[in-house]
Amino acid sequence: KAGVTQTPRYLIKTRGQQVTLSCSPISGHRSVSWYQQTPGQGLQFLFEYFSETQRNKGNFPGRFSGRQFSNSRSEMNVSTLELGDSALYLCASKLTSLQETQYFGPGTRLLVL
Amino acid sequence: AQSVSQHNHHVILSEAASLELGCNYSYGGTVNLFWYVQYPGQHLQLLLKYFSGDPLVKGIKGFEAEFIKSKFSFNLRKPSVQWSDTAEYFCAVNGGSQGNLIFGKGTKLSVKP
Repeated sequence: KAGVTQTPRYLIKTRGQQVTLSCSPISGHRSVSWYQQTPGQGLQFLFEYFSETQRNKGNFPGRFSGRQFSNSRSEMNVSTLELGDSALYLCASKLTSLQETQYFGPGTRLLVL
Repeated sequence: AQSVSQHNHHVILSEAASLELGCNYSYGGTVNLFWYVQYPGQHLQLLLKYFSGDPLVKGIKGFEAEFIKSKFSFNLRKPSVQWSDTAEYFCAVNGGSQGNLIFGKGTKLSVKP
């Protein structure tokens, strides 16, 4: 079975721009979560989607948003980019919205200049 | 709120040395516990997990962890490390109704050949 895939793998943007990241979960998985990984803050939860509905949200500003499509693919959008948004953005999928094992993708490395 | 503490930021060992990485969490209810590993340039992979039952869990590559409820701990162990174990190790927890993971800051393990 193919793993979680994320596109693009690398991205360079400038302050004030917006960016959209994409995640395709493992086939059959209906829950997708997004995490931000930085050297200073570590891994922090952004949000979780299940059946096209946001189930849970971390402590991030409204500039960070997401959505999930009927095929369980998810996108994450960051508007008005700031330098501090430079990070590795990880997507994880699991079968349902319950407390199960999450499987992570390779991440999208975003650099904001 | 849930939180996870990993005691060591960076551990340096010689090959064949024994390893123990500490992990403590704060949450009063039932929790699921995980150790993930991130090898250089690779994505997060699940090492092992504890949901219920035997508090001593065995994972991949010879790793094991022991859940001690009274100490709110879930320490990772390996009797004899190899150079290929060089990686960053993350302890994570989810509990209550939350499907998302709360991660520790991670421990970098460097194994000298």
